[in-house]
Amino acid sequence: DAKTTQPPSMDCAEGRAANLPCNHSTISGNEYVYWYRQIHSQGPQYIIHGLKNNETNEMASLIITEDRKSSTLILPHATLRDTAVYYCIVTGNTPLVFGKGTRLSVIA
Amino acid sequence: AAGVIQSPRHLIKEKRETATLKCYPIPRHDTVYWYQQGPGQDPQFLISFYEKMQSDKGSIPDRFSAQQFSDYHSELNMSSLELGDSALYFCASSWGIRPNTEAFFGQGTRLTVV
Repeated sequence: DAKTTQPPSMDCAEGRAANLPCNHSTISGNEYVYWYRQIHSQGPQYIIHGLKNNETNEMASLIITEDRKSSTLILPHATLRDTAVYYCIVTGNTPLVFGKGTRLSVIA
Repeated sequence: AAGVIQSPRHLIKEKRETATLKCYPIPRHDTVYWYQQGPGQDPQFLISFYEKMQSDKGSIPDRFSAQQFSDYHSELNMSSLELGDSALYFCASSWGIRPNTEAFFGQGTRLTVV
């Protein structure tokens, strides 16, 4: 059973913020939310992860709802190079399991 | 910064042949993961090692085996290759297998079985 649900595709105008949602209603207390992306056939790239607090790094921000049942990855100023498949993964002590992800297309 | 190194980057083999893929983790990383990504598919977890011991097993065929060596590099051995084994094979490494640790991926080995 999939632990996460993401929209299959999204578009975003270049320079605008890209907000990628993820539902994980069955998340357990010790499970983290991870985000990775894969740019065409390259190795998946780590973006950010969090447990319950919002997190920010040089690439993105992660907003996790208070009940932890959903989260949003925010790319503040999307560029054409951000076009990729974005994976939201919930994991505790198990290896990363990739679901279907969201294909983000950044449009000039 | 040093990244995960995979070799070779491309490999062409005939059916029923054997292939060996190598993975060199980021220095000081003690955990290695192997993934297979078929055409148009999402990465599928095969197997992982922590401190040279198998830690988790995914959908790895019996024809495949892997190990992690004393220097923490890992090798994926694939025998009796089939056309369906044609895929990208990614290796990732991390420090430990705690939930709060990110894994970093290599650029992959593209295996083509003809």
